Amino acid sequence: EPEVTQTPSHQVTQMGQEVILRCVPISNHLYFYWYRQILGQKVEFLVSFYNNEISEKSEIFDDQFSVERPDGSNFTLKIRSTKLEDSAMYFCASSEALGTLQETQYFGPGTRLLVL
Amino acid sequence: AQKITQTQPGMFVQEKEAVTLDCTYDTSDPSYGLFWYKQPSSGEMIFLIYQGSYDQQNATEGRYSLNFQKARKSANLVISASQLGDSAMYFCAMREGSGGSNYKLTFGKGTLLTVNP
Repeated sequence: EPEVTQTPSHQVTQMGQEVILRCVPISNHLYFYWYRQILGQKVEFLVSFYNNEISEKSEIFDDQFSVERPDGSNFTLKIRSTKLEDSAMYFCASSEALGTLQETQYFGPGTRLLVL
Repeated sequence: AQKITQTQPGMFVQEKEAVTLDCTYDTSDPSYGLFWYKQPSSGEMIFLIYQGSYDQQNATEGRYSLNFQKARKSANLVISASQLGDSAMYFCAMREGSGGSNYKLTFGKGTLLTVNP
């Protein structure tokens, strides 16, 4: 069964460093998303991406964040200068289409980011 | 106001019994989708079941069913014949809007279900 994959599974970084989180969405999916979940809290939307551009971004997704689809399979989230409060689980998700069951977003296993 | 409200921080159920996890939502949009996800202690988010706002019948998927009461704006998850492996955090989520490419999900705070042997 096709699934969303994410690398790395864990990342530890120093405050101020850049990190790139990688995702491979399900191959026939067209809509891509990043969410984050701070430990013990609910899942929060960061950004949605379609047709090689950002569709929507949340207030969390400030100038320190960027997304890219560098090729036909990868989808990346970059944090330019990490802060302590960026420590969280980051989930990538993808969906096939919009409307009905096809809009279901399938999540990757997540990258647990720890900023020291 | 919260878009998705899950009022049960924790629930306990005996193995083989049924359990209902509550979810109420708030939207003025006529088109929306409702989802339930399971998050085991390992951390991944597993899709369980989907209900569209225009769907006439309640969604079912194996042991999972969604009790959709549109007028009350509730979308409760029913798990029948609970198994030990059902112990996890359960999140209700909603997608609002139609058209465009704005299909973000808004999540509730979750309910931690513990299945006792």
